[in-house]
Amino acid sequence: DTAVSQTPKYLVTQMGNDKSIKCEQNLGHDTMYWYKQDSKKFLKIMFSYNNKELIINETVPNRFSPKSPDKAHLNLHINSLELGDSAVYFCASSPRGMNTEAFFGQGTRLTVV
Amino acid sequence: GDSVTQMEGPVTLSEEAFLTINCTYTATGYPSLFWYVQYPGEGLQLLLKATKADDKGSNKGFEATYRKETTSFHLEKGSVQVSDSAVYFCALSLMNRDDKIIFGKGTRLHILP
Repeated sequence: DTAVSQTPKYLVTQMGNDKSIKCEQNLGHDTMYWYKQDSKKFLKIMFSYNNKELIINETVPNRFSPKSPDKAHLNLHINSLELGDSAVYFCASSPRGMNTEAFFGQGTRLTVV
Repeated sequence: GDSVTQMEGPVTLSEEAFLTINCTYTATGYPSLFWYVQYPGEGLQLLLKATKADDKGSNKGFEATYRKETTSFHLEKGSVQVSDSAVYFCALSLMNRDDKIIFGKGTRLHILP
């Protein structure tokens, strides 16, 4: 059973389009995240949600809008895609209130052309 | 602010060589410390962790000791294998505060047969 799953794995789209990436975790965790990994492998947190409530929004353009319909899901919607949005996006989850690790999905490689 | 600094790569070693990847951190409070590994085309996997000072995390022959006095968490392995080629990330979490895991910039490791 996949603990944190995100779809699609690859996404190629044109500039200006709107796209969504879905994430689901079956670990019963309270906290979910979106991270962006650039071409140099640098990981930067974008959002953190706890029990459907936004906790962290790290200076991400408002074209990026996370949606958490329940605590097992955290989707990422991106409007008006730009070339610079090309990256690998990782979803992750962790239990809250404990200094424990996060569990990561396999990533979605977004290519904007 | 809280941050993680790790040695820049790429690091290239011959098989069976000794490996050290340095990691130091800055944090207000008492973080947990982690090493994650990312194999080509995959997501991040937890390699090892330590939650308090002087703890030693170990897994798959890798070790790291939480050194509060030097704010370090260096990764070591006595004899590396070609299959250890990957990107390694040092990270800290302060989940009791703002549910964030902060990553270093990653160190790419190449092991030559």
